[in-house]
Formats: sequence, C-alpha cells, structure tokens
Amino acid sequence: AQKVTQAQTEISVVEKEDVTLDCVYETRDTTYYLFWYKQPPSGELVFLIRRNSFDEQNEISGRYSWNFQKSTSSFNFTITASQVVDSAVYFCALGGGYQKVTFGIGTKLQVIP
Amino acid sequence: KAGVTQTPRYLIKTRGQQVTLSCSPISGHRSVSWYQQTPGQGLQFLFEYFSETQRNKGNFPGRFSGRQFSNSRSEMNVSTLELGDSALYLCASSLSSGSRETQYFGPGTRLLVL
Repeated sequence: AQKVTQAQTEISVVEKEDVTLDCVYETRDTTYYLFWYKQPPSGELVFLIRRNSFDEQNEISGRYSWNFQKSTSSFNFTITASQVVDSAVYFCALGGGYQKVTFGIGTKLQVIP
Repeated sequence: KAGVTQTPRYLIKTRGQQVTLSCSPISGHRSVSWYQQTPGQGLQFLFEYFSETQRNKGNFPGRFSGRQFSNSRSEMNVSTLELGDSALYLCASSLSSGSRETQYFGPGTRLLVL
C-alpha cells in the first residue's frame, strides 16, 4: 500500500525566512511520481511539481526548490525568502500515471509579516 | 485560454438522491482527474480519465462513477447520496509533454448532503 507522511501539520515562519516542508513516502512500486500542491485560503488547488521516480535531480523554480532522495524516500520542498502569499496548505502526493494518487494530510504554512 | 470549469459550484442534496457534477478541461487537455476533499479524510483521488477511458480509480464504492466524452469533458455521478459524501469535489485537467506534466485545477463543486 502507498503512504505519504507529512509530519509537520503546521509551520509558522517570519517573512523572508526559508522554510522546508517534509514529505516521506512509502511504495512498493519501482516507478512512481511524486507531487506537490498548494492550496491557498481561497481553496483552489494549485499544482506545483511532478517528479518521476527515475529523476533524482533537484529542481528549482524561482524561490521554490525540491529535494528528492530515493534512499530516504523523501521529497522535501523548500521555500526561500518566504512571503505572505506563500501562506497556504501544502500537500505532497504519490502515484499518478497508471497508479492511483495518495495524498499526505498537508502542512499548513503561515508566513507572518 | 480558459481554465478548468466545474459546474455547478454549489449543490445541496438530500440523502438517497443522486448527483452529477461536470468538469470542462482546458482545451487540448485529454486527461481529467477527480478528487474529493473533506475535513476528515483530506484529499482523496477518485478517478482519472484519458481519451474517454478510465485509467485509474481510487478506493471509493461503486456509487461513485464517472465518464469522459469525446470532447474531453467529464462528469462524475454519485448515486444514493450519504451524509459523508458532503465534500469539495475537485477536477483537474493535465497536459503531458515528454516527462513533464502540468495540472490545472478547477474551483471545485461544494456538495452538501442533508
């Protein structure tokens, strides 16, 4: 069975601080996808990234970066120089393609001005 | 380019009734996925359709069904509604380019079952 653990339920940081959201997953599949999503207070889900299990390269997109480590089954998400607009619930997920998607419970990030 | 649209946005039904939700993907997107979000269970995957074929299904009872039309529009149906079906139902359309995929979500349909 697939499982996604986001151990941090809530995080508060002061604006401009860096913050890392942890995601640990379990799967028996050798091929899988990992995802991150953002859900701001408005409620609409926003796709951030999809990573293939064969691609362990870290990715950077502006202030966002993702660290995928297969050895520790982790796919962590870092926001550099956080801003108030980053306040949201962030979900990590596993699956995709021909596999059903399993979500973590989400990490609520509050960025304090 | 128009985004993903979901109709209706809000819905109130009573137990035992059935409901049909609609999702229109972004033009050119052939993949549509459905998700349920509740305070208790969080985000759960319902199903995914690609070119009119159901590619995957989550762990939901047979009361939950869906389909995709030739124009990629998708509908999901819930029969014999239960109180626990009250949720935000989200639809996403996606486009793959090589190993990359981008998903776009609609605003959701909020269903309340009384």
